[in-house]
Amino acid sequence: KNEVEQSPQNLTAQEGEFITINCSYSVGISALHWLQQHPGGGIVSLFMLSSGKKKHGRLIATINIQEKHSSLHITASHPRDSAVYICAASGGGADGLTFGKGTHLIIQP
Amino acid sequence: NAGVTQTPKFQVLKTGQSMTLQCAQDMNHEYMSWYRQDPGMGLRLIHYSVGAGITDQGEVPNGYNVSRSTTEDFPLRLLSAAPSQTSVYFCASSYRRHSLANTGELFFGEGSRLTVL
Repeated sequence: KNEVEQSPQNLTAQEGEFITINCSYSVGISALHWLQQHPGGGIVSLFMLSSGKKKHGRLIATINIQEKHSSLHITASHPRDSAVYICAASGGGADGLTFGKGTHLIIQP
Repeated sequence: NAGVTQTPKFQVLKTGQSMTLQCAQDMNHEYMSWYRQDPGMGLRLIHYSVGAGITDQGEVPNGYNVSRSTTEDFPLRLLSAAPSQTSVYFCASSYRRHSLANTGELFFGEGSRLTVL
């Protein structure tokens, strides 16, 4: 069974700061997903990574397959980035997903 | 496109009652899945399906049944609700195999908040 660990659990930062959220998993995977959940509950997919790096606007996701580690970066953070960020691992022999417990991010103006 | 439609959004049940959470997608996705989200636990997989007629158990399947008679629909049934099933439930879908034609993106329903008294 894959274990997915996220850090930090909670993060409060000032507007404009560079944010990094980390995700580690225990067994090999076929893909790593980053998700965003705003207050009120809706979940939105941000990235799916199999290798390397992806960028979308101010969001950057990287993955290191050898180290079984992924990071989500937010540049020039804004209060609207306040949300819970969740990583999820897929593959490793199973079709289902294993989720981290999420990082609760608050960006203060 | 509607994406993933999940109903109802809210439901209150008494212990022992049965109900069905509905999930439908219009993107021709092979993969559909149900999760529950509890405080401090993260999302946990209940059941999933990789195509019509094919279902399998996830991490926490007890107390739940599913079926996949069509590509579009994947209902979750609670046969005899228990207070431990009080949770927020999410349905999600995606293409099963990642190819150049898609990103493997997960599409989630808006969630169903279930309370069992």
